[in-house]
Amino acid sequence: EIVLTQSPDTLSLSPGERATLSCRASQSITSNYLDWYQQKPGQAPRLLIYGASSRATGIPDRFSGSGSGTDFTLTISRLEPEDFAVYYCQQFGSSPCTFGQGTKLEIK
Amino acid sequence: QVQLVQSGSELKKPGASVIVSCKASGYTFTDNGMTWVRQAPGQGPEWMGWINTNTGNPTYAQGFTGRFVFSLDTSVSTAYLQISSLKAEDTAVYYCARFNRYLDYWGQGTLVTVSS
Repeated sequence: EIVLTQSPDTLSLSPGERATLSCRASQSITSNYLDWYQQKPGQAPRLLIYGASSRATGIPDRFSGSGSGTDFTLTISRLEPEDFAVYYCQQFGSSPCTFGQGTKLEIK
Repeated sequence: QVQLVQSGSELKKPGASVIVSCKASGYTFTDNGMTWVRQAPGQGPEWMGWINTNTGNPTYAQGFTGRFVFSLDTSVSTAYLQISSLKAEDTAVYYCARFNRYLDYWGQGTLVTVSS
């Protein structure tokens, strides 16, 4: 199975700053089937980015995704207070679907 | 609008069984598969597998065979997760999510607590 490793585990930033989150795969992900989710406490994960770089419906354009093969990045251009949460990458290029361990984005 | 509404929290004793339901609305139920995801306390999400809503054929991830069963009632646009012989380590929030090669809509989650 493909193992996804996210870095860093925790990222401490202030509102208005730029956030860069990384997701590295143990092998190349077919067709860039790499997605990003945001999860806040007590809530279900929410799809942000699919296919490595396409924003899901209703997602602000400060969120962007990039990368291919084994290295992917989620960028939040200017952090808003509501962006502080846990972020997961997930792949379904090959079965089984796997998730990264998550990056916690916290307020500095 | 697309909605997935899950059944409420459950408290069960070890060895018992539980059924979690997931009712879909706002789209044609058989147009998309349904995935089940487990999230243990303080942990990340874990994919349990998915069910083809056209054929009813389930696919289970490793670690979710035997005690876990996915099923459907397409007449009421509802997917079900049944877990039998519950163990303490099954304590988690269980989510259904619409499967589109990505998980674009999620239920609100159902907390299953297994405790004597």
